[in-house]
Amino acid sequence: DVKVTQSSRYLVKRTGEKVFLECVQDMDHENMFWYRQDPGLGLRLIYFSYDVKMKEKGDIPEGYSVSREKKERFSLILESASTNQTSMYLCASNYLAGGPKEQYFGPGTRLTVT
Amino acid sequence: AQKVTQAQTEISVVEKEDVTLDCVYETRDTTYYLFWYKQPPSGELVFLIRRNSFDEQNEISGRYSWNFQKSTSSFNFTITASQVVDSAVYFCALTINTGGFKTIFGAGTRLFVKA
Repeated sequence: DVKVTQSSRYLVKRTGEKVFLECVQDMDHENMFWYRQDPGLGLRLIYFSYDVKMKEKGDIPEGYSVSREKKERFSLILESASTNQTSMYLCASNYLAGGPKEQYFGPGTRLTVT
Repeated sequence: AQKVTQAQTEISVVEKEDVTLDCVYETRDTTYYLFWYKQPPSGELVFLIRRNSFDEQNEISGRYSWNFQKSTSSFNFTITASQVVDSAVYFCALTINTGGFKTIFGAGTRLFVKA
């Protein structure tokens, strides 16, 4: 069974802390994504990566960075967490061969920054 | 710029009614991909359909059907004879080639199906 796992379901951090969100997929997918989901705004793309060490900014990259050292793992880093980064964070991955296929999503991490 | 618009924020229907969820997209690319996903109350997004820009054939899968019209940049989703289990948030998404493959999601339509 296809799996995208995220390191935490719920996380509470203080303003100014450095936060790491980890995502692992077991499907050998080339492409991996980080989104945040907020009510009324849908999913907004933060960063994505189409290969190891490759990354591309999404629509809202400010305040975030990413790391992809291994094909199966894609990390989202909040360098200095702020309250406006309180959100649900979703990781996803997909195949690219023959054109991008459907994305498989993790269960999400609900991050609260106080 | 690329954009996906789902103008219907919430729709409420009674079971067995048909319902259409609208999706309008914007892109200047000639090659692109369109998707629909369902997010049930449990939370995890589930893939429903994928279409590339060269395939305008409509598709039917059980009670679900999709109408792709390039002339109006629309990719609408119809549920026939809706059921309570169809209650969910539905997202339309557009993927384009930016070197990688960037995906833009619409804001989603929340569908309530009442018994």
